[in-house]
Amino acid sequence: DVKVTQSSRYLVKRTGEKVFLECVQDMDHENMFWYRQDPGLGLRLIYFSYDVKMKEKGDIPEGYSVSREKKERFSLILESASTNQTSMYLCASPPAGLAGQETQYFGPGTRLLVL
Amino acid sequence: KQEVTQIPAALSVPEGENLVLNCSFTDSAIYNLQWFRQDPGKGLTSLLLIQSSQREQTSGRLNASLDKSSGRSTLYIAASQPGDSATYLCAVRPQGGGATNKLIFGTGTLLAVQP
Repeated sequence: DVKVTQSSRYLVKRTGEKVFLECVQDMDHENMFWYRQDPGLGLRLIYFSYDVKMKEKGDIPEGYSVSREKKERFSLILESASTNQTSMYLCASPPAGLAGQETQYFGPGTRLLVL
Repeated sequence: KQEVTQIPAALSVPEGENLVLNCSFTDSAIYNLQWFRQDPGKGLTSLLLIQSSQREQTSGRLNASLDKSSGRSTLYIAASQPGDSATYLCAVRPQGGGATNKLIFGTGTLLAVQP
């Protein structure tokens, strides 16, 4: 059974704190993604990784960084949290495969509140 | 730039009704289109994936169609039940994204099925 887990369901942090969001997949997938989801804006891609130590910026990378030291783990880092980073954060991991035939598996999400 | 739109943003129907959710996209150069379900405060669950060469996919009471040339997809839910209440999102995988499987999401339709 495919599984993507995220380290926290809910987090409350203060402005200026460094925040780590962890995502782990047990499917041996190369690709891993971080999205944020906001009302009226849908899911927006922050960063993704297609292999260990490889990363690419998504559509809204500002204020974020990522780390992929092991294949199964992809971390999203908020270097100095701000209130506009209050959001739902979703990790996803699709299998690398033939174009058109794959799906994406999502974690349960982390709801972050920055005060 | 690919844009995905879902109409309506919210829908309320009585139990037992058949209903249709709509998704439109601006660029027909896609590998596939997926429909996801999201329960409140949770991650996304893939419902149906339609490859660009396909016209429809069915799973139980769900049927998704794809008209790539007109940039439209519909999700048909037969005999709706209160347990179908959730947010439904569609997402396209644009061509040209390489093996990274990036998706572009719509903002979703919030469905409430009244008992």
